[in-house]
Amino acid sequence: DVKVTQSSRYLVKRTGEKVFLECVQDMDHENMFWYRQDPGLGLRLIYFSYDVKMKEKGDIPEGYSVSREKKERFSLILESASTNQTSMYLCASSYRDGGPADTQYFGPGTRLTVL
Amino acid sequence: GNSVTQMEGPVTLSEEAFLTINCTYTATGYPSLFWYVQYPGEGLQLLLKATKADDKGSNKGFEATYRKETTSFHLEKGSVQVSDSAVYFCALSPPLAAGNKLTFGGGTRVLVKP
Repeated sequence: DVKVTQSSRYLVKRTGEKVFLECVQDMDHENMFWYRQDPGLGLRLIYFSYDVKMKEKGDIPEGYSVSREKKERFSLILESASTNQTSMYLCASSYRDGGPADTQYFGPGTRLTVL
Repeated sequence: GNSVTQMEGPVTLSEEAFLTINCTYTATGYPSLFWYVQYPGEGLQLLLKATKADDKGSNKGFEATYRKETTSFHLEKGSVQVSDSAVYFCALSPPLAAGNKLTFGGGTRVLVKP
């Protein structure tokens, strides 16, 4: 079974702190994604990566950056956390050659609260 | 741009009732269409998908048909169970999308009561 794990289920940080969210997948997937989930808005793509050291902006990249130094690990970084970044963050992965219809596999999510 | 619109919840049903969740989309060409489900405390998982017009995806008693003429992909289940209580997300992936990026609808929370 594909497994996508995220470093924390719950996280509480203060405004201005630098925050790291880690995601690891064990299926040798090339593609990895970071989404945020907010009620009524569904999931919105922050960044994705299709290979090591490669990244592309999604729909809402402002205030975030990412790092992918190893194929299995994709990190989301909040350089200076703000209260409007309080949200659920979901990581996902998929095969690059699977095409547009390929399944994305999701982690359990990290609920981040910024005070 | 691409967008997905699905009915707002919550939808509250009794066990064995019929469930329909409407989903319509806007996209260029022929996107792939998906339903993902999120059970309480968990991440999303794929429920079903369809890749071309008139395709029917099905899984766990759920069905959805890709209707190009009405740009819709409505989810249906004939007899729901308490275990179907979850949030359901409709999503699309444009053709030739790099990295199969998904565009999601807002999600519909379904609560099934015994």
